[in-house]
Amino acid sequence: QKEVEQNSGPLSVPEGAIASLNCTYSDRGSQSFFWYRQYSGKSPELIMFIYSNGDKEDGRFTAQLNKASQYVSLLIRDSQPSDSATYLCAVKRWGKFQFGAGTQVVVTP
Amino acid sequence: DADVTQTPRNRITKTGKRIMLECSQTKGHDRMYWYRQDPGLGLRLIYYSFDVKDINKGEISDGYSVSRQAQAKFSLSLESAIPNQTALYFCATSGGGLAGVGRRANYNEQFFGPGTRLTVL
Repeated sequence: QKEVEQNSGPLSVPEGAIASLNCTYSDRGSQSFFWYRQYSGKSPELIMFIYSNGDKEDGRFTAQLNKASQYVSLLIRDSQPSDSATYLCAVKRWGKFQFGAGTQVVVTP
Repeated sequence: DADVTQTPRNRITKTGKRIMLECSQTKGHDRMYWYRQDPGLGLRLIYYSFDVKDINKGEISDGYSVSRQAQAKFSLSLESAIPNQTALYFCATSGGGLAGVGRRANYNEQFFGPGTRLTVL
């Protein structure tokens, strides 16, 4: 079992709709949780991170963390074609990051 | 200018050759990381370094070695390349240095280089 699990997709989302991405992790000692966006052939870019239970909003993005369920999610509101990318979930413990395999999102006009 | 640079950007080599991938950063960050990315497997940590005298193995260090020549430089070597080391390699940095006046360094923000595409024939 991978330490960080994501559905590989592709997740097809109509333009303007909400994209919902999920991630589960196995290490209960994980301290911080991250969402990265990666366009094909490019390096990952940090979207946001969260370390407390609950929601954290940044523009059109909302991260949700539930440590008891070992679950972190990302909502993308008003999805745009430019949001078409692979989204990587990552967890950090004592400075060491572990990544999921990513979920591919395709926003359709 | 890019804050995290990797050289070379592309490399094709043969089985058994020694290869070095280099990473440099101008962000003044303490921590540097090497990852490889394979289709369907995401990013996997090879080695990481919290400062010049601190080197740690990641989840897939076999067949690789590293050198932290300076705070700004972290090199990854494949002593004897094999075909299953064909992958996209990323260097990343985080924390310390250029945090700005009154702003604490953020070790949660990890910045990636552009990647090196390595093919071993």
